[in-house]
Amino acid sequence: DQQVKQNSPSLSVQEGRISILNCDYTNSMFDYFLWYKKYPAEGPTFLISISSIKDKNEDGRFTVFLNKSAKHLSLHIVPSQPGDSAVYFCAASASTDYKLSFGAGTTVTVRA
Amino acid sequence: GAVVSQHPSWVICKSGTSVKIECRSLDFQATTMFWYRQFPKQSLMLMATSNEGSKATYEQGVEKDKFLINHASLTLSTLTVTSAHPEDSSFYICSARYFSGTAYTGELFFGEGSRLTVL
Repeated sequence: DQQVKQNSPSLSVQEGRISILNCDYTNSMFDYFLWYKKYPAEGPTFLISISSIKDKNEDGRFTVFLNKSAKHLSLHIVPSQPGDSAVYFCAASASTDYKLSFGAGTTVTVRA
Repeated sequence: GAVVSQHPSWVICKSGTSVKIECRSLDFQATTMFWYRQFPKQSLMLMATSNEGSKATYEQGVEKDKFLINHASLTLSTLTVTSAHPEDSSFYICSARYFSGTAYTGELFFGEGSRLTVL
């Protein structure tokens, strides 16, 4: 049962434009959300996170928005750069056990 | 940031042999480590939670006799794929929960991953 869903398997965006990645979750116990970036044959690297007590967190070009009522979060990358081309995973955890549940990932391709 | 290292990064073995993958936290102590498996173009699936000094907790559907996990020290967890078969070929990733000194966060640091190919 997939508790974290990324319904868009891929996204193509032009360099300099905004990339918006979406993520939905079903488990109401989740209270901490993270985005990871992954290049082929490498482990994921942490990008940005948000606690359920917030609805927005910003770090440089990356902003994560959380809509708890809709059980939805999104990652905005602006401006997009060629080095941003990678697979982005949405992940969620509950403070009860801290296990991470991952979405299937969205492959972002930034076109020059 | 915290560093987690995996070894080997790539291993090819014959069917029926066993393969050990190491996961080390290099600059922090990790009482809890997690092992994930990723199939091509799919999500990371949690296999088991490795607890230092105690038995690992396996997720439903993961064979504990097939995937042996040992967490003998605060900086090392190992995953041994026993009697490997071609269907065990996958990308295995470990992660460690970072302890700030006062509390755990939900954040995990991941190793580089180990690609296993069973012939």
